[in-house]
Amino acid sequence: QQQVKQSPQSLIVQKGGISIINCAYENTAFDYFPWYQQFPGKGPALLIAIRPDVSEKKEGRFTISFNKSAKQFSLHIMDSQPGDSATYFCAPKTNGAQKLVFGQGTRLTINP
Amino acid sequence: ETGVTQSPTHLIKTRGQQVTLRCSSQSGHNTVSWYQQALGQGPQFIFQYYREEENGRGNFPPRFSGLQFPNYSSELNVNALELDDSALYLCASSFDRTTDTQYFGPGTRLTVL
Repeated sequence: QQQVKQSPQSLIVQKGGISIINCAYENTAFDYFPWYQQFPGKGPALLIAIRPDVSEKKEGRFTISFNKSAKQFSLHIMDSQPGDSATYFCAPKTNGAQKLVFGQGTRLTINP
Repeated sequence: ETGVTQSPTHLIKTRGQQVTLRCSSQSGHNTVSWYQQALGQGPQFIFQYYREEENGRGNFPPRFSGLQFPNYSSELNVNALELDDSALYLCASSFDRTTDTQYFGPGTRLTVL
């Protein structure tokens, strides 16, 4: 079953624009909601994460928005830069569980 | 403090062979998780090791097995390789089995011919 669904699959944004990636989930037991960034030939790297007790978290140009009732969370990248071009994964997890449940990924391209 | 390292970087095997992949966890971390990432897909959880014991397993057959050593480094072994085993194998370490944040290594690219 597909517990985590990302959209869009690919995204092209102009330099300086806002990139928005969405993640919808089914498992209401998830209580940790991270976004990972992966460059070609590299492993995923944690970008930003949120817990369900807050609706928004901002770190620099990156913001997570969380909507518990809709079972969705999103990643916003402000002032997108060519160096942000990568694949982004949402990977929620339940408390005490061992595994991150990854989405299919969103390939982001920032045009200069 | 060193990050997660994996070896080898690339590996080519033929169907039916066996392979061993290695991972050194980040300093101070006692938990290692292994993931399989097929081309164009998100990583899929294989299993996790905590203090040398398996601590959870994903939907992978028994021919996928692992070990964790006293220094918390880990091995992933795959027997009777199949073409579909071709993937990037990622190791992730975390401070403890209850810690949410996992730090990934660069992966080992396995190609099965």
